Amino acid sequence: AQKVTQAQTEISVVEKEDVTLDCVYETRDTTYYLFWYKQPPSGELVFLIRRNSFDEQNEISGRYSWNFQKSTSSFNFTITASQVVDSAVYFCALSEGSGTGGFKTIFGAGTRLFVKA
Amino acid sequence: DAGITQSPRHKVTETGTPVTLRCHQTENHRYMYWYRQDPGHGLRLIHYSYGVKDTDKGEVSDGYSVSRSKTEDFLLTLESATSSQTSVYFCASTALAGESDTQYFGPGTRLTVL
Repeated sequence: AQKVTQAQTEISVVEKEDVTLDCVYETRDTTYYLFWYKQPPSGELVFLIRRNSFDEQNEISGRYSWNFQKSTSSFNFTITASQVVDSAVYFCALSEGSGTGGFKTIFGAGTRLFVKA
Repeated sequence: DAGITQSPRHKVTETGTPVTLRCHQTENHRYMYWYRQDPGHGLRLIHYSYGVKDTDKGEVSDGYSVSRSKTEDFLLTLESATSSQTSVYFCASTALAGESDTQYFGPGTRLTVL
């Protein structure tokens, strides 16, 4: 069965600090996809990144970076030099084939990030 | 962003009444999903569709039914609403399974069952 664990419920940092959000997943499939989404206070869900199970390259996008390690089943997200606008709930998600042609996605419970000025 | 809308955006209803939420997408996406979001649970999949008239259950499907008669519309029905179904409901769609499986989300519907 698939499972996504975000052990950090809330994190509070001061602006310009670096912060890492942890994500650990469980799956039996060899083909799967991992995602990070941001949910700002306004409530919408914003897609940040998708990574497939065969691509373990780390990725950097501006102040955001992601570290995917299959050996530890982790897909961690780091924000460098955090800003107040980064305050949001961040969700990690795992998607694997359902056997009916679709992909079921399981979300972690989310990590609420507070960035103080 | 994909064009996904949800209606209504807010609804208050009473226990025992039927409720239908609508998700509409203009991207001709094949796959559509309904999630509910509750504090401490993240998003949980209710039902999903992998084509017109093709649907399957997610992890919290009890008390919900869905229908998809057109590619662009995916309806979620609460046959007899209960207070435990008070939640924020998100619809999502994606173009293809596999490599392009990036889900685009609607704005959400806040449902309160009194």
